[in-house]
Amino acid sequence: EVQLVQSGAEVRKPGESLKISCKASGYSFTNYWIGWVRQMPGKGLEWMGIVYPADSDTKYSPSFQGQVTISADKSISTAYLHWSSLKASDTAMYYCARREGGYAYWGQGTLVTVSS
Amino acid sequence: QAVVTQEPSLTVSPGGTVTLTCGSSTGAVTSGHYPYWFQQRPGQAPRTLIYDTSNKHSWTPARFSGSLLGGKAALTLSGAQPEDEAEYYCLLSYGGREVFGTGTKVTVL
Repeated sequence: EVQLVQSGAEVRKPGESLKISCKASGYSFTNYWIGWVRQMPGKGLEWMGIVYPADSDTKYSPSFQGQVTISADKSISTAYLHWSSLKASDTAMYYCARREGGYAYWGQGTLVTVSS
Repeated sequence: QAVVTQEPSLTVSPGGTVTLTCGSSTGAVTSGHYPYWFQQRPGQAPRTLIYDTSNKHSWTPARFSGSLLGGKAALTLSGAQPEDEAEYYCLLSYGGREVFGTGTKVTVL
């Protein structure tokens, strides 16, 4: 059974760093792109970018390029979303999803709250 | 970056039919944009209904169908049920990078 399990909710202060994770199981992790999606409170879905775990190739939305880093560790079948310096506007729910097959599989979401 | 536009809200009667559309600021939507359609209920993660214009997943109810219509991607709901009340998002691919639509709130009333 394909599963994507995300790390738990996080509360941080502005300027702090953060890395959230998405652990995959039930399929060959290296063969499928993993994407990250942002949903700010009460707002729509935003495509942030994707990573190909086999070679860590990444593609970013221009809106998120330079703002976050997407990566993957194929040894532990885990994708990551990293901020080096959080802003209050990063407060949102973040989802990971497996791209191939029409984004059929999604993580449960990680709520990130950034507040002083 | 392209802007992908959807109707903000639509209302459909139970058992009725409604069509949602998804347009691109760059021009006509084609099969090369690999249109996706997602349903999101409050407090839940999105789930894919349609991918590659018209392909369905095993969990996609038969009453949902995808197509291209008048230069846009379209999602048609035929025989609406109360549980179809939700937010619907399209997603278009632009050479490997993707953009979500603005979302349509569907009310079944």
